[in-house]
Amino acid sequence: NAGVTQTPKFQVLKTGQSMTLQCAQDMNHNSMYWYRQDPGMGLRLIYYSASEGTTDKGEVPNGYNVSRLNKREFSLRLESAAPSQTSVYFCASSEALYTDTQYFGPGTRLTVL
Amino acid sequence: DQQVKQNSPSLSVQEGRISILNCDYTNSMFDYFLWYKKYPAEGPTFLISISSIKDKNEDGRFTVFLNKSAKHLSLHIVPSQPGDSAVYFCAASDNFNKFYFGSGTKLNVKP
Repeated sequence: NAGVTQTPKFQVLKTGQSMTLQCAQDMNHNSMYWYRQDPGMGLRLIYYSASEGTTDKGEVPNGYNVSRLNKREFSLRLESAAPSQTSVYFCASSEALYTDTQYFGPGTRLTVL
Repeated sequence: DQQVKQNSPSLSVQEGRISILNCDYTNSMFDYFLWYKKYPAEGPTFLISISSIKDKNEDGRFTVFLNKSAKHLSLHIVPSQPGDSAVYFCAASDNFNKFYFGSGTKLNVKP
C-alpha cells in the first residue's frame, strides 16, 4: 500500500520553463490537496479538489493550475516558473474534504533559477 | 498574516524528559486542531487532534491541551525519545473549512 506518491522528488527549472508535478493516491480518497512549504512558514494550500471533477483555489493559487485527472490522480502545473516558486511541494489526500486526517506524499523539492 | 503561530523554531530536550511544543492562534472560529510530525525528506504524518469541545486529548505518550480563552494549544510528549526528533506542525480549521498550518517547531531529543 503506497499511500500518496509524488513525482519527481527533485526538479531544477529555469525561469519561464513549465512543468507538471504528479500526485497519485491508492486509498480511494475523494479529496486531494496541493501545499507548498517555505522556510519560516507553514504549509500553505495552493489548490484542492473536493471530489473527482472539481477543483478550487486555496490560499496561494497564483501561477499554478491543477487537474484532477481521475479519482486517484491530481497534478499541479507551473506554466511559467518563477524564482518565487522555489519551494517544497506536498500533495495530500483525505477521505472527505478537510475531515480529520490528511495523508501526505513525500514532497517534491523544486528550485527555479 | 499567519493565523496559526509556532513561536519556537526549535526545542532541545533530554531523552526521558517532557517535551512541550506550543502553538497560538488568532481566529476564535477555529474549532478543530491537529498536530503533524515530519521527518526529513518525508511528508507530514498525522499525530493527534482535538476538538474545541474538549480541553485535553491523550494518545499514549502524546497529549494535546487546548486553552480556548488564551487561543493556545500545546503538545506534551512524555517521556521523550530520540525517535521523536522531528519537525512538529500544528494546524487549525474552522468547521473543516481549510486547514491553516503553523511554521513548525524542530524538536531534538538528545540521548
